[in-house]
Amino acid sequence: GENVGLHLPTLSVQEGDNSIINCAYSNSASDYFIWYKQESGKGPQFIIDIRSNMDKRQGQRVTVLLNKTVKHLSLQIAATQPGDSAVYFCAEMHGQAGTALIFGKGTTLSVSS
Amino acid sequence: EPEVTQTPSHQVTQMGQEVILRCVPISNHLYFYWYRQILGQKVEFLVSFYNNEISEKSEIFDDQFSVERPDGSNFTLKIRSTKLEDSAMYFCASRQGAGAEAFFGQGTRLTVV
Repeated sequence: GENVGLHLPTLSVQEGDNSIINCAYSNSASDYFIWYKQESGKGPQFIIDIRSNMDKRQGQRVTVLLNKTVKHLSLQIAATQPGDSAVYFCAEMHGQAGTALIFGKGTTLSVSS
Repeated sequence: EPEVTQTPSHQVTQMGQEVILRCVPISNHLYFYWYRQILGQKVEFLVSFYNNEISEKSEIFDDQFSVERPDGSNFTLKIRSTKLEDSAMYFCASRQGAGAEAFFGQGTRLTVV
């Protein structure tokens, strides 16, 4: 079964809006989470990460929130731009050796001008 | 900026043939990965490699698959007898350390005919 998943397969927003992309995970032992952006025809690109000893981390225009109580992760993008249009994946580090980075299903973000 | 490079960008092969997908990870990285992405679907973990051996592998990574780091710079994925359902994008990734982000290559599109 899925260890990491996203609530919505697609999200459409207007340019300038704030976007929130959600992800639920099931492995309470996971201690490291990453958000990736994938543009068409390209490999996943790192956006931001967070460790399980934190509940919030901010980057440039992006914020990741981690709620370990309900095993929920979110990515907030401020002032969304057309260039933010892509598929967003959350990924979870787990596995017996702690080296397997497992991706969720992805949310397609579409930003219209 | 250092990057993970993959060759070839596109490979077409006959069903039953062996293919080798090649990757050059970032030079000071210690963890190496292969992932598969069937068109429009999520990024699926295949295998992680550390200290010259496989550290984790998924159910997809069966006896038809193998990985090798033959010369300290290349990291290869071999599929012994390709099947139609092996058609996908294959991504290589590398990480510097256990708590670091994974950097992805641009992928090899494998088409099995």
